[in-house]
Amino acid sequence: GESVGLHLPTLSVQEGDNSIINCAYSNSASDYFIWYKQESGKGPQFIIDIRSNMDKRQGQRVTVLLNKTVKHLSLQIAATQPGDSAVYFCAENPRMFSGGYNKLIFGAGTRLAVHP
Amino acid sequence: GAGVSQTPSNKVTEKGKYVELRCDPISGHTALYWYRQSLGQGPEFLIYFQGTGAADDSGLPNDRFFAVRPEGSVSTLKIQRTERGDSAVYLCASSLFASGAGDEQFFGPGTRLTVL
Repeated sequence: GESVGLHLPTLSVQEGDNSIINCAYSNSASDYFIWYKQESGKGPQFIIDIRSNMDKRQGQRVTVLLNKTVKHLSLQIAATQPGDSAVYFCAENPRMFSGGYNKLIFGAGTRLAVHP
Repeated sequence: GAGVSQTPSNKVTEKGKYVELRCDPISGHTALYWYRQSLGQGPEFLIYFQGTGAADDSGLPNDRFFAVRPEGSVSTLKIQRTERGDSAVYLCASSLFASGAGDEQFFGPGTRLTVL
């Protein structure tokens, strides 16, 4: 299928390097954040999430950092692999843990290009 | 097990026509979401179902858009009098509970709608 994110900012890295993708979110009341990976022709795929009462969470090769003071979220990918090439979106939920439901507001996305 | 499926994968129609897009969620998931993704952008929330009822349709752009989920499983997004600006990828997602504990949404591959 046609690629998503043809006009998105692109981060180019060498295989094996660490990648950092940044995201600014909009709502200071948001209490839940998720990073998604989207490959061409596919729907977004969950990578890692974090609640607003945390500032760091680690998964397998991925770490999410949350800075509520400046409303900034980052995704760090260790030892980036060619299979990590995709568009990455951050998403916020304004009221997940205060009586709301999982209504996601997505950011604009960043394309990660991994070169061998 | 099977993930979220969407049909058709591609739909080309003429301006003014009516279209229906179908979503089959993961079995047992009570929450279902529709999003629209324009080229180069993140998914945009349209509507959320909890069971058979539309709990939040605030993202539907106008009254040409309508969605149903009559038996609490399969959902259909209906667009009347299509316009060229409706061209996008329409994504469906489902989740087990939708509220409280960071309930993960699983996305389908999307339906690419092109209005000529």
